[in-house]
Amino acid sequence: DIQMTQSPSTLSASVGDRVTITCRASQSISSWLAWYQQKPGKAPKLLIYKASSLESGVPSRFSGSGSGTEFTLTINTLQPDDFATYYCQQYYSYWTFGQGTKVEIK
Amino acid sequence: QLVESGGGLAQPGGSLRLSCEASKFTFSSYGMNWVRQAPGKGLEWVSHISSSGSPIYYADSVKGRFTISRDNAKNSLYLQMNSLRAEDTAVYYCARVTSSDDYSFDYWGQGTLVTVSS
Repeated sequence: DIQMTQSPSTLSASVGDRVTITCRASQSISSWLAWYQQKPGKAPKLLIYKASSLESGVPSRFSGSGSGTEFTLTINTLQPDDFATYYCQQYYSYWTFGQGTKVEIK
Repeated sequence: QLVESGGGLAQPGGSLRLSCEASKFTFSSYGMNWVRQAPGKGLEWVSHISSSGSPIYYADSVKGRFTISRDNAKNSLYLQMNSLRAEDTAVYYCARVTSSDDYSFDYWGQGTLVTVSS
């Protein structure tokens, strides 16, 4: 099974900050990686697919990069609506989520 | 749009059947999944069914106990959950595969809560 490890688990940031979340796969997954945003009591929302492709309707301040085993989600100019939990997901072999990164207000 | 139903309280060893009704897209053209989230925990993929009904995949944690199925004529996805355990307590989401070229999940239902307790 492919394991996904996100870091950090919690991130404190201020509005306007640039935020980076890292996701590491236990083996190469090529570019088969997605990022989701989840707010309390809500379903996850797809932000990025195929490691760096922005889902339609998602603000351009979100970007993804990486391939193989190391991936990053970057949020430029953090907005109040961006405080949430973010999950990476591999879909190279079945599906596995990272444990999540909570972005909280500093 | 995806709308789940069928959640509720079940006893350990009991059964529940979840449903997910799809609308506003051609359901028969998309693979579908169930994903769960235990209270205060992260996301766990549970099961996948292709657009035609085969192939089907399960997470090891539910293999042999849960059965995924779909009825394309009714635009509906199902999850039959047997031999329920306390650790199956979670919000269960149905989620659509993005496309035949990309197996991320682009649309999710609002979730239905399953509680397993005596």
